[in-house]
Amino acid sequence: KNEVEQSPQNLTAQEGEFITINCSYSVGISALHWLQQHPGGGIVSLFMLSSGKKKHGRLIATINIQEKHSSLHITASHPRDSAVYICAVIIETSGSRLTFGEGTQLTVNP
Amino acid sequence: ETGVTQTPRHLVMGMTNKKSLKCEQHLGHNAMYWYKQSAKKPLELMFVYSLEERVENNSVPSRFSPECPNSSHLFLHLHTLQPEDSALYLCASSQAAREGGTQYFGPGTRLLVL
Repeated sequence: KNEVEQSPQNLTAQEGEFITINCSYSVGISALHWLQQHPGGGIVSLFMLSSGKKKHGRLIATINIQEKHSSLHITASHPRDSAVYICAVIIETSGSRLTFGEGTQLTVNP
Repeated sequence: ETGVTQTPRHLVMGMTNKKSLKCEQHLGHNAMYWYKQSAKKPLELMFVYSLEERVENNSVPSRFSPECPNSSHLFLHLHTLQPEDSALYLCASSQAAREGGTQYFGPGTRLLVL
């Protein structure tokens, strides 16, 4: 069983919808990352969180350390948001090593 | 553009070939990483270099040989690969390996081993 689980695996939405992607982890962590991977492979780091909530444009990321859970929200979704969204954690004892979830494939239709 | 470049972007090689992947970062970072992304699997860390010294090796087969000549360049030398090594190989860099900072990823090299 992977230490990082994401849901859903696939998500299709209509343009303008509010989207939530969830990430649960089973180990103690020092930080959690949300990454975006576009077709072709390039990965962009969206957020790094160790507590609370961060917002950047239409993206919001939250983390609940006690519940070992994080969510990524996209407001007013747009077709250009279509990508794979990956949750990754830094396990407390691992220094800098990222452990990745399997990713959520998001498709936003016009 | 993330400030991390990788070449080549695509590579097809036979099992007896020797090739190298190159990564370069223009961000002044001192930690660099190699990751492997196989179809339908999570990203896997292969190697971590910090200040040009290898600090982590995730039990990667010896047919993959990393080299970090300076803090801006990272290579992955490939020889006698297997078809199951076909994957997307991603390079990343960060300010410091031990502090868990944001990693910046290159576009990846998509490798096909025939």
